[in-house]
Amino acid sequence: EVKLVESGGGLVQPGRSLKLSCAASGFNFNNYWMTWVRQAPGKGLEWIGEINKDGSTINYTPSLKEKFTISRDNAQNTLYLQMSKLGSEDTAIYYCARDGSYCDYWGQGVMVTVSS
Amino acid sequence: DVLMTQTPVSLPVSLGGQVSISCRSSQSLLHSDRNTYLHWYLQKPGQSPQLLIYRVSNRFSGVPGRFSGSGSWTDFTLKISRVEPEDLGVYYCLQSSHFPYTFGAGTKLELK
Repeated sequence: EVKLVESGGGLVQPGRSLKLSCAASGFNFNNYWMTWVRQAPGKGLEWIGEINKDGSTINYTPSLKEKFTISRDNAQNTLYLQMSKLGSEDTAIYYCARDGSYCDYWGQGVMVTVSS
Repeated sequence: DVLMTQTPVSLPVSLGGQVSISCRSSQSLLHSDRNTYLHWYLQKPGQSPQLLIYRVSNRFSGVPGRFSGSGSWTDFTLKISRVEPEDLGVYYCLQSSHFPYTFGAGTKLELK
């Protein structure tokens, strides 16, 4: 069974940084691109970016490229999202998803709240 | 960025009925590899999105046959026949033909 479990969310002050993790199991993590998507409270889905199988290619939505960094550790079957200079507009549920193009399986999401 | 326009925003339905959701893109989604990367998702209340249809018309594993997708270039449709209670929620289209990938704003399927 494909399973994706996000962690690392919580309350963070404006301007601070936070790193999210996504633990993958039930499939060969090394064989898949991975994606991050977020959803602000009561809003729609926003594609953040994707990373290829070995981490050598990463694509971001331009508006987030300077703040967010996607990485992965294939030995640990884990995907990461490093977020910096957080603002209230970054308050959202953050989802990881398998596959860069189709996002065929999603995690349950992790809430990040940016507030003083 | 490719703008994805979904209509309607809200769609009241009776159980057993049939509905269609439209997704229009601001530019053609036909990729240079000749595939069209337009996908449909359902987000049930309190849950993560789930993939229903990929590349316009291919049902994902376990998705019932009452869901069908069609379209080409800039105009795409998701049809649901014989709507069941578990079909209620918000439907999103996603284009992954052009960077950055973009979602439609969503269509909420709710009971009349």
